[in-house]
Amino acid sequence: QKEVEQDPGPLSVPEGAIVSLNCTYSNSAFQYFMWYRQYSRKGPELLMYTYSSGNKEDGRFTAQVDKSSKYISLFIRDSQPSDSATYLCAMSPWDGGGSNYKLTFGKGTLLTVNP
Amino acid sequence: EAGVTQFPSHSVIEKGQTVTLRCDPISGHDNLYWYRRVMGKEIKFLLHFVKESKQDESGMPNNRFLAERTGGTYSTLKVQPAELEDSGVYFCASSHRNQPQHFGDGTRLSIL
Repeated sequence: QKEVEQDPGPLSVPEGAIVSLNCTYSNSAFQYFMWYRQYSRKGPELLMYTYSSGNKEDGRFTAQVDKSSKYISLFIRDSQPSDSATYLCAMSPWDGGGSNYKLTFGKGTLLTVNP
Repeated sequence: EAGVTQFPSHSVIEKGQTVTLRCDPISGHDNLYWYRRVMGKEIKFLLHFVKESKQDESGMPNNRFLAERTGGTYSTLKVQPAELEDSGVYFCASSHRNQPQHFGDGTRLSIL
């Protein structure tokens, strides 16, 4: 079983739709949860970053973490064609105060928002 | 503030040759990471530097890969000799302490 599972899609939605992306994980040591957006031939760009459980909102983006279910989500409201990209979930453990935060990624979900 | 810079952006070499990838992290970031994405797979961790020291190199595939970070600034990743399965996109990321990692645009490596 992979440590992080993410449906690769592709996912196609009309402009203005609410998009829901999610990942499940198996390693209970994961404490930091991130969503990255990646455009074609570019590097991952940090979108949202949360520590432990709860919700975090930033503009049209909301990230949710449910550690009891080992499930994280990213919601995009009022989706725009410019949101078309691959969305990657990533997570890392808390190592007791050290400095090793290597990321474990999902495979990414390809999203297309149609005008 | 300049982001993470990687070069070359693309490299095509023949099997058995040597290639060196370079990463310049964001200024002031002590943590530097290398990752790799091979075709159809997820991005995977290779190794982590804190300043000039290797903190974790558990993801390095084999001893054909050598990473250095002299002086704690830029880093190089050398593949010698290159094999077909080394093809992929190599990403570098940097961070300050426990803050999120910021990625470069990657080096696309093709081994023929």
